[in-house]
Amino acid sequence: ETGVTQTPRHLVMGMTNKKSLKCEQHLGHNAMYWYKQSAKKPLELMFVYNFKEQTENNSVPSRFSPECPNSSHLFLHLHTLQPEDSALYLCASSQDSGGGTDTQYFGPGTRLTVL
Amino acid sequence: ELKVEQNPLFLSMQEGKNYTIYCNYSTTSDRLYWYRQDPGKSLESLFVLLSNGAVKQEGRLMASLDTKARLSTLHITAAVHDLSATYFCAVDILGGSEKLVFGKGTKLTVNP
Repeated sequence: ETGVTQTPRHLVMGMTNKKSLKCEQHLGHNAMYWYKQSAKKPLELMFVYNFKEQTENNSVPSRFSPECPNSSHLFLHLHTLQPEDSALYLCASSQDSGGGTDTQYFGPGTRLTVL
Repeated sequence: ELKVEQNPLFLSMQEGKNYTIYCNYSTTSDRLYWYRQDPGKSLESLFVLLSNGAVKQEGRLMASLDTKARLSTLHITAAVHDLSATYFCAVDILGGSEKLVFGKGTKLTVNP
């Protein structure tokens, strides 16, 4: 595998379910990101992890819970979601050199539908 | 709060024509990115612009940055159908943060 991979690619879940999204980067980067892409809205940053530490939580509801066990893996745990949470969830990674944001490389995304 | 505005949001053009997509942002920034997204696919990095007056070209696409005007342009020359996609600009918040703010995207359709 190369680049940034995400699983599953598609997910349908009920509002009472618990599920997790997985992201893995094979680029040796030290920063990882979760974004939400909804129709008619700009790409929204959700969480940023740098060297496994969360450095940004963009006022995301607690029904989304990120986990970063190491610099290569990032999870997004989902529970009691709402239909308006249906969206494409994108993971990205970059090399944080301390001098500003380096180019972020995106995974293919998980298309989430909440019924 | 940094705001990023792209226009137009939708662009339909004929093959062989030229056009420009604009990206305005509201506060000082030191980096600007252009990405491309094909339907059902992820974002692909096109250009990184790091300084005032920076210009980068790849094939039929050319991007430029004017930090004084807080404006970047993505110019399309002699469009071909393969360029049909959604193009996003993203701006780095000044200060070494990892945070990017994206525009809404410009959906480009190139017709034969």
